[in-house]
Amino acid sequence: GAGVSQSPSNKVTEKGKDVELRCDPISGHTALYWYRQSLGQGLEFLIYFQGNSAPDKSGLPSDRFSAERTGGSVSTLTIQRTQQEDSAVYLCASSLAGAGSNSPLHFGNGTRLTVT
Amino acid sequence: LAKTTQPISMDSYEGQEVNITCSHNNIATNDYITWYQQFPSQGPRFIIQGYKTKVTNEVASLFIPADRKSSTLSLPRVSLSDTAVYYCLVGDNNQGGKLIFGQGTELSVKP
Repeated sequence: GAGVSQSPSNKVTEKGKDVELRCDPISGHTALYWYRQSLGQGLEFLIYFQGNSAPDKSGLPSDRFSAERTGGSVSTLTIQRTQQEDSAVYLCASSLAGAGSNSPLHFGNGTRLTVT
Repeated sequence: LAKTTQPISMDSYEGQEVNITCSHNNIATNDYITWYQQFPSQGPRFIIQGYKTKVTNEVASLFIPADRKSSTLSLPRVSLSDTAVYYCLVGDNNQGGKLIFGQGTELSVKP
């Protein structure tokens, strides 16, 4: 079946511009995660959505970062006034967490963001 | 949140068995242990998950001692295509909540 889809796959933007990154999770998955991965580094947690509960935003690095999840499905990560240090791959994952099973995370292939 | 510690890198040769150990001393009662594999330019991919003792699937085995403070991913007879970064993740995904990845182990398989 269809996996987690992220768009765009690549985004080049100028410093100071706003960008929106989109994630389409697997249908029926209640949990959605955003991670950031800088070159050669591990995965940095950003934000977590579970059903209709308030999201866990504790990983967002600054108030320039925000995310929403509409209708419990598609999620958008927005970065305002981008800086060069925001350059990274942004990964989205979804799972059936909370559905009575220890469902693993299913990742998309990420959006590679380059801020020039 | 259970913190994990893994070797930064490992080298192996084709056909060998590779064992990657992850330490998670403060694992909670409801936490599961999950391993992921990541190739360049791709998102991590699920390999195997366990709670205690031993789990085996078509690609790997996972050994978890009785105290659950560590776990070992075993890859039998590795090939060049197993060159990747391997992450150990500990958490209670059933209840939801943020899941924190460690730095991962970069495995390099040589011919």
